[in-house]
This record gives sequence, structure tokens and C-alpha cells, in this order.
Amino acid sequence: DVKVTQSSRYLVKRTGEKVFLECVQDMDHENMFWYRQDPGLGLRLIYFSYDVKMKEKGDIPEGYSVSREKKERFSLILESASTNQTSMYLCASTFRDGRYGYTFGSGTRLTVV
Amino acid sequence: GEDVEQSLFLSVREGDSSVINCTYTDSSSTYLYWYKQEPGAGLQLLTYIFSNMDMKQDQRLTVLLNKKDKHLSLRIADTQTGDSAIYFCAETKAAGNKLTFGGGTRVLVKP
Repeated sequence: DVKVTQSSRYLVKRTGEKVFLECVQDMDHENMFWYRQDPGLGLRLIYFSYDVKMKEKGDIPEGYSVSREKKERFSLILESASTNQTSMYLCASTFRDGRYGYTFGSGTRLTVV
Repeated sequence: GEDVEQSLFLSVREGDSSVINCTYTDSSSTYLYWYKQEPGAGLQLLTYIFSNMDMKQDQRLTVLLNKKDKHLSLRIADTQTGDSAIYFCAETKAAGNKLTFGGGTRVLVKP
């Protein structure tokens, strides 16, 4: 069964901490995405990557960075966590041509206190 | 920029049909998707439609696309309690590219 795995289901971090959210896919997908989900706002795109070592800003990149050193892994980094980054974070991946659609991870619920 | 909008909430009785609506602004949207999210879970792809289609049916699901009005709808026939979830519509200009999501419609199915 194909999978997108997010390393943590729940995380609690303190304001100012550096936070790493990890996403690993086993489908050999080229494209990977990080979204945050907030009630009533749907999913908003933070960053995405179409290849190893490539990254592009999404709609709300401020306060975040990403790393894609290997094809299967896409990391989201909160350089200095703030309370307004408390949210559900979802990772997704797909093939370059989008065939078979997008696969989503189960999400990481991050609380910044 | 792209914008996708949905109503926030829909309540329906078990056995009735549900219709979830979505509007989008980008006329170059090529692929339109419906996702379902159950509590505590990620997003599950329900169905999708290409912009050159008007309708797509898949078992209990019917997707209608009015490209002129930029309006997309998802009809669920014979709605069951297991259909209670948040439903998201999403669009992209090209398969594989970033998806733009609506805010989600919470569907509550009452017995």
C-alpha cells in the first residue's frame, strides 16, 4: 500500500523553538507539498518541491523553510515557532505528471505554547 | 490569484441526497477534485473531473461542472452516516502542480 508518512501525529513545542516536521513517501513521487489546515480556511500551501534540492514558495511561506535532500523526504522547518503557527500540517506527494492523483499524509497537529 | 469557495456546513438526513457546491475564480483551472476528510485523518480523494467534461458519475457520487459559471458540485446519493466528514474541492492548472483548496464543507448526516 502506497504511503505518505508524517513522523509525528501530535507535537507540542515552545515559542521560539526550532521545529522539524518530516514527511516521507515510498511511491517515488517527484512532487511534494506542505499545507497547513485551519478551520474555515481549508488547506493553504506553504512550500512545494518538484525535484530533489528544488523548492518553491507557496501562498504562506513566511516563518517556514523546507529541505529536500532526498527524493523521498520533504522536511518543513519552523525556524522560531510562534503561537500563530499552531495548526494541522499536511504533506502530499504526486508524480510529476500527476497521474494517479495526490496522496496525503495523516497530518501533524502542532501546538505552540 | 486563484480563489476557491465553499459553504461551511451542510446538514442532511440519512437516505437523502447531499449536494455540496464550490465556486472557483481561475478560468485556467484544468483539473478539479473532491476530497473527503474524516475526523483525525488525512485527505482521501473521492473523484476528479477534467475541465473539458460537464459531468462524471462514480457509484453514489456525481460531479457536475459548469465551466461558464465556474461552479462545481458534488452530489452524494443515498447519504449514509459514514458520509459525515469535511469535503474539500480543489483545483489545479496542470496535473501534478500545486492544488488550491476551498475552505471545506462540513457535512453532518442525521439518522
